[in-house]
Amino acid sequence: GAVVSQHPSRVICKSGTSVKIECRSLDFQATTMFWYRQFPKQSLMLMATSNEGSKATYEQGVEKDKFLINHASLTLSTLTVTSAHPEDSSFYICSAPRRGGLETQYFGPGTRLLVL
Amino acid sequence: EDQVTQSPEALRLQEGESSSLNCSYTVSGLRGLFWYRQDPGKGPEFLFTLYSAGEEKEKERLKATLTKKESFLHITAPKPEDSATYLCAVQHTGNTGKLIFGQGTTLQVKP
Repeated sequence: GAVVSQHPSRVICKSGTSVKIECRSLDFQATTMFWYRQFPKQSLMLMATSNEGSKATYEQGVEKDKFLINHASLTLSTLTVTSAHPEDSSFYICSAPRRGGLETQYFGPGTRLLVL
Repeated sequence: EDQVTQSPEALRLQEGESSSLNCSYTVSGLRGLFWYRQDPGKGPEFLFTLYSAGEEKEKERLKATLTKKESFLHITAPKPEDSATYLCAVQHTGNTGKLIFGQGTTLQVKP
């Protein structure tokens, strides 16, 4: 069964509004989670590393003031797209590493964002 | 710079026609190489993690192998339900777990 969930699965919003996406690890604790973005027919691009109890680490070229990340607990990370624009429309996916002897990373089902 | 290249970009097979997908990587220190399956509109589904050259893992019709420069995902007697995009990713020894993905191979298996 699913070990990482995301909510919502789809969201449509108007340009200029903010959208919050939640990522939860369902039966394990994750001090670190990762946020990726995927454009059509492209691979996953890492946006940022979400760290519980500290600031997120952003990849080069990702605006930290536009993509706000909060790792509220050991099972929840949120990504807020602020003042969204049509070019922010994409598929956003989170992942969490699960340590069972050797680390395995599990991905959420993704959130499809469409900004009109 | 860490880099992952997958080939071919797309692969069409007849049901039962075995083949292999390639993942070439350049990384200064490999912590792990991951294979995922992704269906359209969904998140990647974990398949395998390989940690050292010579390692092999199997799951149903899939078998993943690893050398110092590349990994292969062998698909034996594929079925239409194996149609998906297969993603390869590497994890560097120096980071906290982030993955660098290849562009993926889109597999279509025709009945």
